Amino acid sequence: SQKIEQNSEALNIQEGKTATLTCNYTNYSPAYLQWYRQDPGRGPVFLLLIRENEKEKRKERLKVTFDTTLKQSLFHITASQPADSATYLCALYTGGFKTIFGAGTRLFVKA
Amino acid sequence: NAGVTQTPKFQVLKTGQSMTLQCAQDMNHEYMSWYRQDPGMGLRLIHYSVGAGITDQGEVPNGYNVSRSTTEDFPLRLLSAAPSQTSVYFCASQGATGTGGANYEQYFGPGTRLTVT
Repeated sequence: SQKIEQNSEALNIQEGKTATLTCNYTNYSPAYLQWYRQDPGRGPVFLLLIRENEKEKRKERLKVTFDTTLKQSLFHITASQPADSATYLCALYTGGFKTIFGAGTRLFVKA
Repeated sequence: NAGVTQTPKFQVLKTGQSMTLQCAQDMNHEYMSWYRQDPGMGLRLIHYSVGAGITDQGEVPNGYNVSRSTTEDFPLRLLSAAPSQTSVYFCASQGATGTGGANYEQYFGPGTRLTVT
């Protein structure tokens, strides 16, 4: 079956360290992959998009990699801050106006 | 520019009752969607619309109806509420690219937390 997997366990890191979140998928050939941030009680907010022919994309302290052979995307937050604490969602665009979301990984950054 | 707005924020229904969740966007986006979010699961697409008068089913459409009479509004109707419909519901919109396809970024509303008893 088609599946997106994000680490269901929360990630706890110290302020200033790099947070790395993983998104694995099976049975998809996505045209592009997105990362969203979701705070408690709020809707998701778009962060970054990476296309299938791109290996890496950066935006300020954020970096996303996309390996279509491994069927994996890594999401990095460098110099993490307590304000980065949130749930991060991976989403695949599979065509036909369908975007499939992962369940998300909760990140806690301790001061 | 309010973005995507949803009402109500919270709702409690009894089994068998019906209601409409409202969604509006002021960005002139062609594409709108309804998702539900349950603990431990990703957002699941209920229904979507590619323009006024055009709607289609997503992954979990049973028990829900939608209509799109204007570009701005995309209400979601629960016909006969069931406990399995207890969830958080998100509306989202997307703009169109220059070639007419959906733009990549989705804008989400703040959500409606629905409890069916």
